Order: sequence, then structure tokens, then C-alpha cells
Amino acid sequence: EAQVTQNPRYLITVTGKKLTVTCSQNMNHEYMSWYRQDPGLGLRQIYYSMNVEVTDKGDVPEGYKVSRKEKRNFPLILESPSPNQTSLYFCASSTGRLSGANVLTFGAGSRLTVL
Amino acid sequence: KQEVTQIPAALSVPEGENLVLNCSFTDSAIYNLQWFRQDPGKGLTSLLLIQSSQREQTSGRLNASLDKSSGRSTLYIAASQPGDSATYLCAVNRDDKIIFGKGTRLHILP
Repeated sequence: EAQVTQNPRYLITVTGKKLTVTCSQNMNHEYMSWYRQDPGLGLRQIYYSMNVEVTDKGDVPEGYKVSRKEKRNFPLILESPSPNQTSLYFCASSTGRLSGANVLTFGAGSRLTVL
Repeated sequence: KQEVTQIPAALSVPEGENLVLNCSFTDSAIYNLQWFRQDPGKGLTSLLLIQSSQREQTSGRLNASLDKSSGRSTLYIAASQPGDSATYLCAVNRDDKIIFGKGTRLHILP
């Protein structure tokens, strides 16, 4: 089944403890991206990647890192998580660049709580 | 800076009615506009994508229109069903960045 898989789905951690949220897609998609969703603020783009070793900032990249070493994987790294990074995170991918009218496929989400 | 607004924030309508969801954006220099559906506790599902050169797209009971010059899009849902209850989000992109509205929470009353 074609899908975007995120892990973990739920995580409670403490301030400052590094964590990684993994994202993997099995559709050979070139474009991958991360978002966070917060009540009252909606869904906001954190980072995106147009291909292996090519990443760029979205609207809210502060406090996050990403890497794209393989086409299928796009992990989101929180080096020193803080409570304001408590959120619902989504990974998404598409066949090609969004400028090329390509549809996004979303993962099921990862709910992160930072105490 | 691009801003996307969706009004109303929530809507309840009886089953069987036709309805329209609205989306507006401040910068008309967009490449595409997408409509998504989000069910509680789940990810987003793409419903329709309209390229900037297009005026509308249709899929089943859904029809999305785009008026780029006025910065508006509508999602028309015909003959609504309880299964249509969800949050509907619109999003616009220029280049490879995408900006989402906050969504309209739709409840179809049986």
C-alpha cells in the first residue's frame, strides 16, 4: 500500500532531550515536507526537501533540523526540545515539486508533548 | 506575506443540503490551490487541486472553483452526507512553500 509512515505516533519527552521523528514513504516521491499543527494557528510548514541532499526552510524552521540522505526518508530532528514544540506533527510527500501541481500525501501524524 | 483565511470556522447543516465553503488568500501570485479533508486524529487527504490557470475542478459531489485575481476559492459539496463531516482546509503554494488556512469544521446533521 502506498503510504507515508511516521514514527513514533505518540511521544512524551522532557525539555532538552534530543529526539527524532522518522518519516518514510514507499512511493518513490521526490518532494517531502514536515508540518506542525497547533490549535488557533493551523498547519504550518517547517521544512521541505525537493530531492536527496536538497532541503529548505518553511515558515517555522526554528528549533528543528532535517536531513535527506535517502529518497524515501526525511527525519525531523529536535536537538533540544522545548515546551513550545509540543504539537501535532505531519510528514507529507509528493511525486514532484509543489510548483508542478503535485498532490501531497500525508502521514497519520505524530503527537509530541515536551514537558 | 501570504495569508489564507477560511470562513466560517465551523458549520452545521442538515443532511442532503448543498453547501459552500470559502477560502480567501491575500497574494494572488500562486501556482496552485488545494483543498484537503482532515478527519479527527488523522492526517490530511487531498480532495482537489486547481492550478492557477484553471477555473475549477470537479470530483464526484465536490466542485472547487478558483478566482485568482480576487483571491478566492470555493468548495461546493452537493447533497451532503453524514460521512462528509470533517475539517476542510485550503492551501495555496507559490514555488515549493505551502500556506494553509485554519480550516472549516463541517458537521452534517443526520
